[in-house]
Amino acid sequence: DAGITQSPRHKVTETGTPVTLRCHQTENHRYMYWYRQDPGHGLRLIHYSYGVKDTDKGEVSDGYSVSRSKTEDFLLTLESATSSQTSVYFCAIFGSGSSGNTIYFGEGSWLTVV
Amino acid sequence: GIQVEQSPPDLILQEGANSTLRCNFSDSVNNLQWFHQNPWGQLINLFYIPSGTKQNGRLSATTVATERYSLLYISSSQTTDSGVYFCAAYNQAGTALIFGKGTTLSVSS
Repeated sequence: DAGITQSPRHKVTETGTPVTLRCHQTENHRYMYWYRQDPGHGLRLIHYSYGVKDTDKGEVSDGYSVSRSKTEDFLLTLESATSSQTSVYFCAIFGSGSSGNTIYFGEGSWLTVV
Repeated sequence: GIQVEQSPPDLILQEGANSTLRCNFSDSVNNLQWFHQNPWGQLINLFYIPSGTKQNGRLSATTVATERYSLLYISSSQTTDSGVYFCAAYNQAGTALIFGKGTTLSVSS
């Protein structure tokens, strides 16, 4: 258990509404990430954070914003949800493990935009 | 930026068979990792292997960084090995992992 929790785990929302997904860690790690997973695309990086209030864009950041006001929480916001944002969203943290530095994933948030 | 390509995209095996999954990456990397995603969606680290060979039970991995590829070997496959296998490498800034599209493995009894 890498101490990562995502909420909500499942959500159905309507097109045009804002949605916020929360990632919470108990490990005090500096780096946190949001990925989305879609069939045929693997995992694609949306945004990441390298410290409180320090964030940067990934390869599929359009339509998403993030915030990190404290070390343990990294929020992903869909400003105006679209059907193309129906996906599984994974949060991850980067930390040290027995095999070296590695990344640990949350259990995922299934989002459906109708 | 770094490109990560995996092959084959799909693999179907009978229980007990061996398999090799390949990962090619386009630029020099100092951190190559393999993950397994089980049928319930959970992502598990398998290996952190920027170079050399590591083994963990029936699984082993080899990375030849100078030739920009990594191999994941699964021996005596079991139905519990089913799922998607991803390799990933860090971008040049070392700030984020870039994933391949994965190999979907189905092992039948």
